[in-house]
Amino acid sequence: AQSVTQLGSHVSVSEGALVLLRCNYSSSVPPYLFWYVQYPNQGLQLLLKYTTGATLVKGINGFEAEFKKSETSFHLTKPSAHMSDAAEYFCAVRVDHNTNAGKSTFGDGTTLTVKP
Amino acid sequence: DTGVSQDPRHKITKRGQNVTFRCDPISEHNRLYWYRQTLGQGPEFLTYFQNEAQLEKSRLLSDRFSAERPKGSFSTLEIQRTEQGDSAMYLCASSLVRLTSYNEQFFGPGTRLTVL
Repeated sequence: AQSVTQLGSHVSVSEGALVLLRCNYSSSVPPYLFWYVQYPNQGLQLLLKYTTGATLVKGINGFEAEFKKSETSFHLTKPSAHMSDAAEYFCAVRVDHNTNAGKSTFGDGTTLTVKP
Repeated sequence: DTGVSQDPRHKITKRGQNVTFRCDPISEHNRLYWYRQTLGQGPEFLTYFQNEAQLEKSRLLSDRFSAERPKGSFSTLEIQRTEQGDSAMYLCASSLVRLTSYNEQFFGPGTRLTVL
């Protein structure tokens, strides 16, 4: 079984500051890893994903994440926060072999606040 | 291709009433998932379909919940005798599964249920 832990349910940064949202996962087999963003009363929007290959992945809106197998981490970063980045962020893991059937396991989310 | 759609977007009901939600996946997607997201939590897997067959149900899916995908296209999720604890966002996702490669999952906007 897989699981996801997001460290810090709330993160607050100043506009223009570095954004770092932490995610650690556990999985018995190589996982797919995802970051989603969710704005109030909306669905999930995929920010970026790691499937195979390069461990540093770039996503939309200037976000990127690095898959570190030795640390079982997939932290999300953005060099300079913008007011529009304020939202809820979810890390997710997925294992696509038959017993898991491609269902995703999500962390509890991190609320990002951006101060002017 | 208009993405995954869900109807209604919002539903308010009284405790004890039955409700039904609909999910229309992306055309020709053979796999469809339902997730539930309660306030302050990440989405949790409920069930999934491969074409019209319901292949897995989470223990979260009590006997009051039933899901169908009669023709392998749209799906419905019915909750009977709703309880206040059923208040949540219900998310649908779909994918075109090709066993030899990574399969992108696409999430719908969700249906927010409020049980009074």
